[in-house]
Amino acid sequence: EIVLTQSPGTLSLSPGERATLSCRASQSVALNFLAWYQQKPGQAPRLLIYGASTRATGIPDRFSGSGAGTDFTLTINRVEPEDFAVYYCQQYGNSPRTFGQGTKVEIK
Amino acid sequence: EVQLVESGGGLVKPGRSLRLSCEASGFSFSNYTMNWVRQAPGKGLEWVSSISETGTYIYYADSVKGRFTISRDNAKNSLYLQMNSLRAEDTSLYYCARDPHDFSWFDPWGQGTLVTVSS
Repeated sequence: EIVLTQSPGTLSLSPGERATLSCRASQSVALNFLAWYQQKPGQAPRLLIYGASTRATGIPDRFSGSGAGTDFTLTINRVEPEDFAVYYCQQYGNSPRTFGQGTKVEIK
Repeated sequence: EVQLVESGGGLVKPGRSLRLSCEASGFSFSNYTMNWVRQAPGKGLEWVSSISETGTYIYYADSVKGRFTISRDNAKNSLYLQMNSLRAEDTSLYYCARDPHDFSWFDPWGQGTLVTVSS
């Protein structure tokens, strides 16, 4: 199975700064089938990005995804107070579908 | 509004069984592959099982294969997870999640139902 490793484990930022989150796969993700989710405490995950770079419906354009093969990035331009959360990547190009361990974006 | 509501969680002893349910509304349930994804307390996300629109294709994570059974009733817009031979490591919040494009990403998710396996 594909192992996804997210870094850093925790990212401490001030509102207005840019967040850059990494997701590295143990082998190439077929067709760049990678998604990103945001999870706030006590809430279910929310889809942000699919297909490595396509924003889900209703997701603000400060969220962007990029990458291909084994290296993927989620960027949050000008982090807003409501963006402090845990972010997960997930690949669906290979079975079984797998998730990264998460990156926590916290207020500095 | 698309909604998924899980139920059936609780405290159960190791080796016992539990059946989870997920009731869907706001979309054509029979047109979508459905999934269970779990999250152990304070941990990350783990895909558990998937079932195609008519139940023809069913998949399980190795960690639950042979113990869990996924099923669905399209007439009732409901998804189920029968969990047998439960172990302490099955303790998790179990989410029901829709599959927008057949074995792809998960969207949306329900709020989850907590299963605690402990003696």
